[in-house]
Amino acid sequence: ETGVTQTPRHLVMGMTNKKSLKCEQHLGHNAMYWYKQSAKKPLELMFVYNFKEQTENNSVPSRFSPECPNSSHLFLHLHTLQPEDSALYLCASSQDRGTSAEAFFGQGTRLTVV
Amino acid sequence: GQNIDQPTEMTATEGAIVQINCTYQTSGFNGLFWYQQHAGEAPTFLSYNVLDGLEEKGRFSSFLSRSKGYSYLLLKELQMKDSASYLCAAMDSNYQLIWGAGTKLIIKP
Repeated sequence: ETGVTQTPRHLVMGMTNKKSLKCEQHLGHNAMYWYKQSAKKPLELMFVYNFKEQTENNSVPSRFSPECPNSSHLFLHLHTLQPEDSALYLCASSQDRGTSAEAFFGQGTRLTVV
Repeated sequence: GQNIDQPTEMTATEGAIVQINCTYQTSGFNGLFWYQQHAGEAPTFLSYNVLDGLEEKGRFSSFLSRSKGYSYLLLKELQMKDSASYLCAAMDSNYQLIWGAGTKLIIKP
């Protein structure tokens, strides 16, 4: 248990569906992140929020839409995804963005797009 | 460009010692992290080095040479539960983590 909880753990969706991934942390951290992890590839940073404000969007397609209503919750809204979007989506948090503080990861959502 | 290199897979024997190497190239440097990730689970923090030298933490040690852009993770007295992927990540001048693809460590009895 890392203190970061993601739901659902597994998700299968069609290319025309709309779904959302949820992440919650009660560590008192100010920075939250979405990562994509594909087999045998480095973690890809997608979005960064610091004090609820989006600070980075690493050229992520608009079919992925993040939302951070407060510093404890982070969502990733998905719509009209492609099969190549199938991957493990990891949420992480750290004390602050812009420091060398370690990141704490959730267990991820295994997404399959059919 | 920024890049991290680490071996894709390594195999070792229970009770032995294994060293997982990582080389990095980043724009500026704010430290080197190692994470452990068991299959289907969250990556968990193992170590952080920002100064040259060896940091020991129980059976695990991590080494850094900033001049060589090189780090290694040393695992002693290997146990079956150490079978996992080990992720190396370097932090650049913007405090962004640059990740390696991970090293899958297989422990055999």
